[in-house]
Amino acid sequence: KQEVTQIPAALSVPEGENLVLNCSFTDSAIYNLQWFRQDPGKGLTSLLLIQSSQREQTSGRLNASLDKSSGRSTLYIAASQPGDSATYLCAVRPRNYGQNFVFGPGTRLSVLP
Amino acid sequence: EAGVAQSPRYKIIEKRQSVAFWCNPISGHATLYWYQQILGQGPKLLIQFQNNGVVDDSQLPKDRFSAERLKGVDSTLKIQPAKLEDSAVYLCASSYHSGNTIYFGEGSWLTVV
Repeated sequence: KQEVTQIPAALSVPEGENLVLNCSFTDSAIYNLQWFRQDPGKGLTSLLLIQSSQREQTSGRLNASLDKSSGRSTLYIAASQPGDSATYLCAVRPRNYGQNFVFGPGTRLSVLP
Repeated sequence: EAGVAQSPRYKIIEKRQSVAFWCNPISGHATLYWYQQILGQGPKLLIQFQNNGVVDDSQLPKDRFSAERLKGVDSTLKIQPAKLEDSAVYLCASSYHSGNTIYFGEGSWLTVV
């Protein structure tokens, strides 16, 4: 059974810092991996989708990497801003379990002005 | 392009009562998902539809939860009778087809008292 963990559970950084959020999954047989952002009281907003054949994806100040063999993905946020404060979740679509996303619990990020 | 629409946004009911949530996916999206998100956790898939057929409902508590997507467009999720532990956010999501980026609605917040 695929399990997804995210460390740390919460993170506070001063504005302007570069930071890395981590996501680990137990089964490397994945179809793709997606990073989401969730603001308080809101649904999830898709940030980046990485297919299993890809190593990384970039969008603006965000860069997500994927290392299937070690079961890890990282989300790099450059020059963090207070508006980046939110919960970041990663979700893995396993290749072998009906292709439904399995979500991690999220990392709650606070960027302090 | 309109996003995933959900209603109601908030609902408070007493235990043993019933409640229904409605979702209208992004136009043209064949795949529709209902997720349950308990505070502090990642979303958990309840049911996935492909057009009007059920692809995966393995985690749906079928003794009290039901869902339908009769015409392959909008969908309804019902809980009857509700329990205290059903207090959560019910997120609807859609994708063009299984394997693509998924887009979430803002969620329906349920409190059972």
